Amino acid sequence: GNSVTQMEGPVTLSEEAFLTINCTYTATGYPSLFWYVQYPGEGLQLLLKATKADDKGSNKGFEATYRKETTSFHLEKGSVQVSDSAVYFCALTQGAQKLVFGQGTRLTINP
Amino acid sequence: GEEVAQTPKHLVRGEGQKAKLYCAPIKGHSYVFWYQQVLKNEFKFLISFQNENVFDETGMPKERFSAKCLPNSPCSLEIQATKLEDSAVYFCASSQPGQVAEKLFFGSGTQLSVL
Repeated sequence: GNSVTQMEGPVTLSEEAFLTINCTYTATGYPSLFWYVQYPGEGLQLLLKATKADDKGSNKGFEATYRKETTSFHLEKGSVQVSDSAVYFCALTQGAQKLVFGQGTRLTINP
Repeated sequence: GEEVAQTPKHLVRGEGQKAKLYCAPIKGHSYVFWYQQVLKNEFKFLISFQNENVFDETGMPKERFSAKCLPNSPCSLEIQATKLEDSAVYFCASSQPGQVAEKLFFGSGTQLSVL
């Protein structure tokens, strides 16, 4: 079946540091890939998405590129802020199907 | 409404009691999903609906869990005879036809604590 694997957390960085959160997936065919963010006490919000190979999703300074050859969708940000502290989930779906989530990566940014 | 509304925000039950959670999807959204989040991570899919019809129930435990989406009523997720391991945050999400995962809107969850 489809699955998503994220790097183990928690991740702690200083403000303005470079961020990478790794995500790899296993799927038959061509899934759509997503990054969701969960702020404390809230539900998930879609951060960015990519629907086909080599697409780059971007939002709020975050980027991720759909790499079919390495089955990856790593999340990056050049300069993180304290307000980026949250839990980040990589996910995939195929067609009108349910989202399959990774285990989540807790990110803490210190001033 | 313009947001997915989940009630109650917090629910405490003794082991063996029934728990019922509610979700009002965004108006016009015909897909509804229920997810269970344990230990602050691990989103586990439970069930989805297309209007009032079950779309995918592969994640629902066979016993004790049931769900409905009836016309003109909030959707509901019911757990009969709760167990300690049912303690989790239960999230509901909705989307429009043809945009199921592309634009999935989540509610803020119901925290269920089974004591």
